Amino acid sequence: KQEVTQIPAALSVPEGENLVLNCSFTDSAIYNLQWFRQDPGKGLTSLLLIQSSQREQTSGRLNASLDKSSGRSTLYIAASQPGDSATYLCAVRADYKLSFGAGTTVTVRA
Amino acid sequence: EAGVAQSPRYKIIEKRQSVAFWCNPISGHATLYWYQQILGQGPKLLIQFQNNGVVDDSQLPKDRFSAERLKGVDSTLKIQPAKLEDSAVYLCASRRPSSYEQYFGPGTRLTVT
Repeated sequence: KQEVTQIPAALSVPEGENLVLNCSFTDSAIYNLQWFRQDPGKGLTSLLLIQSSQREQTSGRLNASLDKSSGRSTLYIAASQPGDSATYLCAVRADYKLSFGAGTTVTVRA
Repeated sequence: EAGVAQSPRYKIIEKRQSVAFWCNPISGHATLYWYQQILGQGPKLLIQFQNNGVVDDSQLPKDRFSAERLKGVDSTLKIQPAKLEDSAVYLCASRRPSSYEQYFGPGTRLTVT
């Protein structure tokens, strides 16, 4: 059974600092890995999707890396802003199912 | 395009009562998912539909939960009778046939007292 872990559970940084969010998974036989953002009372918004054959994906200030062999992914958010405050979840796809981590709740202080 | 719609957004019931949630996926999305997200945890898949057929319901507590997707469009998730541990956000998601990406609705927050 795939287990997805995200550490830390919560993170607070001053505005402008770079954010580093970690995700680890136990079974490396995945099709892809996806990072989501969840705002309070809202659903999930997809940020980046990395196919298993890729090493990283970039979108604006966001960069996600994937090391499938070691079961790790990292989401980098450059020059954080208060609007980046949210919960970030990673999810891995295997056997057409998404397995989610519990998320990292980020607070960016103005 | 319109997103995934869910209703109600919030529901408070007493234990042993029944409740139903409704989901309208994005037009043309053949695959529909229901997830349960307990506070502090990631979403857990309850059931997956392909058109109006069930693909995976291995984690659905079938003694109290049921779901249907008549005509392959809207879907309803029902809990009867509810337990305290059913308090969670119930998320609906949909996906087009040619893509892996799931689009999520805003969720229904259920509180069982």
